[in-house]
Amino acid sequence: GESVGLHLPTLSVQEGDNSIINCAYSNSASDYFIWYKQESGKGPQFIIDIRSNMDKRQGQRVTVLLNKTVKHLSLQIAATQPGDSAVYFCAESLSGNTGKLIFGQGTTLQVKP
Amino acid sequence: DAMVIQNPRYQVTQFGKPVTLSCSQTLNHNVMYWYQQKSSQAPKLLFHYYDKDFNNEADTPDNFQSRRPNTSFCFLDIRSPGLGDAAMYLCATSISYNEQFFGPGTRLTVL
Repeated sequence: GESVGLHLPTLSVQEGDNSIINCAYSNSASDYFIWYKQESGKGPQFIIDIRSNMDKRQGQRVTVLLNKTVKHLSLQIAATQPGDSAVYFCAESLSGNTGKLIFGQGTTLQVKP
Repeated sequence: DAMVIQNPRYQVTQFGKPVTLSCSQTLNHNVMYWYQQKSSQAPKLLFHYYDKDFNNEADTPDNFQSRRPNTSFCFLDIRSPGLGDAAMYLCATSISYNEQFFGPGTRLTVL
């Protein structure tokens, strides 16, 4: 059947504020999670990942939190900058399987100057 | 710089006219993937090669085929493009089933 475009949720933040992007994943057996940033007209860019044996991982200005109890993943961006404006996708994977990434719906982050 | 390259970046084809999209990589990764991403949607895996082994997703239409002549190159063939096949096509690579690196994508328009 023909696919219908989905409306991506949008998060609008002021430059310099912190951003929190949330994602609910579907498979309780998934054990590897990734956040990707996709700017307009470009491919997804890896931001940060986390494995299921952790509940928090920090990178440069970004933190990923994993709550396996409620199958929830979040991405926190500190001191959001205009260059952070993009669509953010979470993805889940079951290691040892085909390596297939299942992408979430995506959130559009708009940074207001 | 090691990277994933997709050519062309924009491709226009006619309804029913076969089209081939190409992907090359300088990362020497053994796994290569093809994703389809329609407007305002998440990428959807079509198939992947693990080394020379082809792995098709169950819901990928037969209209989509792939070739991997060597480690560096992978092609996506659309035998008879329909209007519903207009999308961004993304190539990705990885070392075994680890972090995937994406190319910039090819935007396909079907007239």
